[in-house]
Amino acid sequence: AQSVTQPDIHITVSEGASLELRCNYSYGATPYLFWYVQSPGQGLQLLLKYFSGDTLVQGIKGFEAEFKRSQSSFNLRKPSVHWSDAAEYFCAGRIQGAQKLVFGQGTRLTINP
Amino acid sequence: DAGVIQSPRHEVTEMGQEVTLRCKPISGHNSLFWYRQTMMRGLELLIYFNNNVPIDDSGMPEDRFSAKMPNASFSTLKIQPSEPRDSAVYFCASSWGRGQGSEQYFGPGTRLTVT
Repeated sequence: AQSVTQPDIHITVSEGASLELRCNYSYGATPYLFWYVQSPGQGLQLLLKYFSGDTLVQGIKGFEAEFKRSQSSFNLRKPSVHWSDAAEYFCAGRIQGAQKLVFGQGTRLTINP
Repeated sequence: DAGVIQSPRHEVTEMGQEVTLRCKPISGHNSLFWYRQTMMRGLELLIYFNNNVPIDDSGMPEDRFSAKMPNASFSTLKIQPSEPRDSAVYFCASSWGRGQGSEQYFGPGTRLTVT
């Protein structure tokens, strides 16, 4: 069955520190992959997406993600976090040509001042 | 450009009452999705429409839930009768196409509380 897994439920980092949020997928073929961010009381906003080609994708707000086929991973990174990055982050995937998105359970990010 | 619009933003109702959630997708989008978010189950796809036609409703929990899309600019999700376990945030999302350029845009959600 298709699945997306985010192993970390909650991560705390200090402001200015680097960040990496993990995402693993299980699909028969390489899926389209997405990272969304959800601020408290808000909807989900797309940070970045991977369809094919360059395995390092750049997104909004200084985020990037790297697709690694050998590890079935699509980890989200940011070199230096800001207090405003505190939110919940969701990794999601869908089969190429299909529309149904499968979401991971989410990782809640807390920023220490 | 207005994003996906959902109403109401908050709904508090008593068990047994009918609840109707509304969604206006982004103009020009031809697919619409209804999701439910809870602490226990995370984000679940309930149903989605393509060109106003329901394509996959396998996520609809039971017969108490129904969804309609009478035209390209409006959809409803109805719960009748509502139960406390329906308390959740319900999101609507829309997209265009299904190829590489297709991404889902989410509304702000409706927080439903059933007492």
